[in-house]
Formats: sequence, structure tokens, C-alpha cells
Amino acid sequence: LAKTTQPISMDSYEGQEVNITCSHNNIATNDYITWYQQFPSQGPRFIIQGYKTKVTNEVASLFIPADRKSSTLSLPRVSLSDTAVYYCLVGFYNNNDMRFGAGTRLTVKP
Amino acid sequence: NAGVTQTPKFRILKIGQSMTLQCTQDMNHNYMYWYRQDPGMGLKLIYYSVGAGITDKGEVPNGYNVSRSTTEDFPLRLELAAPSQTSVYFCASSYSISATNANTGELFFGEGSRLTVL
Repeated sequence: LAKTTQPISMDSYEGQEVNITCSHNNIATNDYITWYQQFPSQGPRFIIQGYKTKVTNEVASLFIPADRKSSTLSLPRVSLSDTAVYYCLVGFYNNNDMRFGAGTRLTVKP
Repeated sequence: NAGVTQTPKFRILKIGQSMTLQCTQDMNHNYMYWYRQDPGMGLKLIYYSVGAGITDKGEVPNGYNVSRSTTEDFPLRLELAAPSQTSVYFCASSYSISATNANTGELFFGEGSRLTVL
């Protein structure tokens, strides 16, 4: 399973766009990239998943360069309620050894 | 649907006691996982299962045991509780990601079980 590296923490202000980058230099051909969000005292929840280029849903965008050795989660116009820990996971389909890294603690300030 | 249900939500154990954390899912997922999360830290994978009768170790399996007799249930057993096992335990389930269907392999988590060993 590809090892991931993320910043430990980030600060932002309400209304700003936040970009969190994850490095995964050893990503394999069949690996997907998935991001989760975790609020205090709750289990993580799925945000977005991608394989290459760009994926967008109602919550976030995921940018993946051609070499796929990194990915960037983009949160548009964050609010206080986006304060959470964000995890990047890399794995191929049918991979069942799903390991989380340390995650990025995002703090949104008023 | 209830999703992933964990019991108990809170438990205090004495050193050396044993207990089982229960996890049940009603989504017919084939994959199930147990994680632990220490305060301020990320999740660590304890054990996982790809289907009934099949289990495998994750990153931190020592001190724990699991079984998977049915698709729905994946209990986690602590045999001799130690203070180092004080943590929040999360159970999760998923379908596998497949190239032939639309499943993302999204993990669905329970609400967690907070365990304190004194």
C-alpha cells in the first residue's frame, strides 16, 4: 500500500479556498486516491475519490497530476464547519488493507 | 438502514480483563475493518476481513483477536486488557472497488467505542 505524506496542520479563514496536498510517490498503476474527513468524536466519512486528472463533486475537487505522485484536495469557500482532520488514502481496487496516515488538521477561523 | 453499529459506546476495563467490541453492518458489505485511534492521532488498522471466515492482520494486531462467522458481524476481542489499549475503536465496512462496477470502495464507519483501561 502506497505510503502517503500530508501536512500535519493548516489554518484558514472563512470564505477562503483551501488546498491540501498529499504525496504518494510509490503509487501503483491500479491505485485510486481517496480522501476522508473526520470530525471530533466521529468516524471518518468519504469526501471524494479519483484516479487521474480532476474530479469534482458537491463538496470538493480533487486534482491529480499526470505522474499521480501527489494529489490535492480543494475545498472551496470553507466555513467554520469544515474544521476537521482530512486523510488521504491510496489503494488499488480489491485492496482491503486500508491504512490511514496521520491526516491534516484543518482549522477554519472566523 | 442502520449502517455500521458498534456496541458498547463506552467501557471501562481493569487491567487483565477481557471484553468483546461488537460490530454489525446491514449493507451486505464483504469487507470489514477495525481501527483504533489514540487521542490526537490518526487511525491505525488492527484487523480486517474480506468475507466470512477470512481475517487478516493490519498494522497493530497485537493484543487483539477477531472472527468473521457471518457477513454482518465482525467482533473484536481484547483478551488481557492493558492501559496501552485505551483508545477509541472504530469499525468500518465497504464493498470492494471494482473496475466493473461503480463502487468506490467507500468506507462506512460506526460511531466508535471509547475504551479506557485502568
